[in-house]
Amino acid sequence: RKEVEQDPGPFNVPEGATVAFNCTYSNSASQSFFWYRQDCRKEPKLLMSVYSSGNEDGRFTAQLNRASQYISLLIRDSKLSDSATYLCVVNKGGDNNNDMRFGAGTRLTVKP
Amino acid sequence: NAGVTQTPKFQVLKTGQSMTLQCAQDMNHEYMSWYRQDPGMGLRLIHYSVGAGITDQGEVPNGYNVSRSTTEDFPLRLLSAAPSQTSVYFCASRRGWEQFFGPGTRLTVL
Repeated sequence: RKEVEQDPGPFNVPEGATVAFNCTYSNSASQSFFWYRQDCRKEPKLLMSVYSSGNEDGRFTAQLNRASQYISLLIRDSKLSDSATYLCVVNKGGDNNNDMRFGAGTRLTVKP
Repeated sequence: NAGVTQTPKFQVLKTGQSMTLQCAQDMNHEYMSWYRQDPGMGLRLIHYSVGAGITDQGEVPNGYNVSRSTTEDFPLRLLSAAPSQTSVYFCASRRGWEQFFGPGTRLTVL
């Protein structure tokens, strides 16, 4: 089983739609959680951290469910510029907080 | 600030050749790391460093060496290239929990 699993998609949605991505992680000792965005043939960039109580940044909302070892990202009012691959990132936890594990990513295409 | 820079952007090697991928950052970050990204897989950590003179192995270290003589530079050495090392390589530095990635090096091993 992969340590971080995501639905690869692709998700094809019209502008203005709401879309949600899910991510599960296998290591219950993990403490830090993130969503990164990666445009085609570019480097990943931090979109947002995920906090235990859930957090929002504009049109983006991240949720964490520690009991189910599950992270989600909700994008409201999708824009064409949201088209990208979204990477779920979890630290390995335990004695090593430096070891970050990436999901394979979920690809989103927003269409006019 | 240039951020994280990587050279070269593209490289083709023959099996058995060695080479060094360069990475530099000008943000004075202590933590730096190397990842590889393959289709259908997430980025996988190769090696990382928490400061000059200190390096450690990540998830997939075999076939790669690193050193960290300065805060700014973190080169990745392929000792004897194999086709399985064909990948996109990203270097990153970290401030707090946020990682800043370089633009990547696309490596093909024939």
